[in-house]
Amino acid sequence: DIQMTQSPSSLSASVGDRVTITCRASQGISNYLAWYQQKPGKVPKLLIYAASTLQSGVPSRFSGSGSGTDFTLTISSLQPEDVATYYCQKYNSAPHTFGQGTKLEIK
Amino acid sequence: EVQLVESGGVVVQPGGSLRLSCAASGFTFDDYAMHWVRQAPGKGLEWVSLISWDGGSTYYADSVKGRFTISRDNSKNSLYLQMNSLRAEDTALYYCAKDISRGYASAIFDYWGQGTLVTVSS
Repeated sequence: DIQMTQSPSSLSASVGDRVTITCRASQGISNYLAWYQQKPGKVPKLLIYAASTLQSGVPSRFSGSGSGTDFTLTISSLQPEDVATYYCQKYNSAPHTFGQGTKLEIK
Repeated sequence: EVQLVESGGVVVQPGGSLRLSCAASGFTFDDYAMHWVRQAPGKGLEWVSLISWDGGSTYYADSVKGRFTISRDNSKNSLYLQMNSLRAEDTALYYCAKDISRGYASAIFDYWGQGTLVTVSS
């Protein structure tokens, strides 16, 4: 099975910073990659799918890129409400594995 | 408004069985594949199972294959997860999730329920 590895596992940044989270697949998955945001105590929320397509209603400061095995989620200007754990997920074929998560905090 | 409401989570002994339910509303249920995703306390997300819009195709994570069975009743707008031979490592919040794609399973989850907690403990 394909493994999904995120880095870093945790991250602290200042408001207004540009933040990048990476996700690596152990085998190529084309662009079958989604990103989810889970705020503390809340349900996960879909941010991006097809590696770079922004889900409706998601702020434009979020963007995604990549294809094959290497992907990135970028927040162009970090806001206090972005404190959350972020997960990547492959969906090219079952099992639809998630990465282990990246916990983002405000410095 | 799309709503997914899970139920059935309880404390159960190792080796026991449990059936989770998810009541769906606000969309044409039988147009969409559905999924179960779980999250152990303080841990990350784990995809568990998927069922196609018509129930004709099902898939499972290796960790639950042979023990869990996903099903749906489109006449009742409901999704189910039958869980047998439960283990301590099955302890988690179980989410019901809707597939984003109409007519086929993309495994992109655009709506999630609030989850139901299953605790496996003696």
